[in-house]
Amino acid sequence: DVKVTQSSRYLVKRTGEKVFLECVQDMDHENMFWYRQDPGLGLRLIYFSYDVKMKEKGDIPEGYSVSREKKERFSLILESASTNQTSMYLCAVSREMNTEAFFGQGTRLTVV
Amino acid sequence: RKEVEQDPGPFNVPEGATVAFNCTYSNSASQSFFWYRQDCRKEPKLLMSVYSSGNEDGRFTAQLNRASQYISLLIRDSKLSDSATYLCVVNTGTGGFKTIFGAGTRLFVKA
Repeated sequence: DVKVTQSSRYLVKRTGEKVFLECVQDMDHENMFWYRQDPGLGLRLIYFSYDVKMKEKGDIPEGYSVSREKKERFSLILESASTNQTSMYLCAVSREMNTEAFFGQGTRLTVV
Repeated sequence: RKEVEQDPGPFNVPEGATVAFNCTYSNSASQSFFWYRQDCRKEPKLLMSVYSSGNEDGRFTAQLNRASQYISLLIRDSKLSDSATYLCVVNTGTGGFKTIFGAGTRLFVKA
């Protein structure tokens, strides 16, 4: 199995702060994804990437950006955190479309 | 309309019951389909892939109906340990693909 590591399990940030969430995989998989998960809404796709320096918007990209400078690392950036970005953030990795996606353990971000 | 829709439940069933979940997807070009399971405060994990020919793994059976654009999951002889949220997942795209999750169906199996 792929090991997916997210940099923090819990984060508390202030409104207006710039926030970096890091995700690192231990395999050479091309596809990486960032989701947020909220009660009743399930997992919603923020951004995804299918190669180094390649990124695509998901369903809710507003207020977020991403960076993929190396294949194993995919970063989610909140340029100016707001309280409505309080959520569980999950990173996922997969080799190709017909294969399993592996998740990190999630980062619970609270913006106060 | 959401790309992937599921009944949120909850489904409350006794041990030994058979329970079925359905999921519909809106993009007819979707190419691969899965069911994931998510336990409370844990990350989602793959339960099974879904093929046009159907897929069975022990007590679990998954079906795909491309014409009607829905996916189903049948759980037979429910166990207490089956209590979880079941997520329907659809992959769409070429080259770079999107993995879209349904909001999940909550299952409670009671003794």
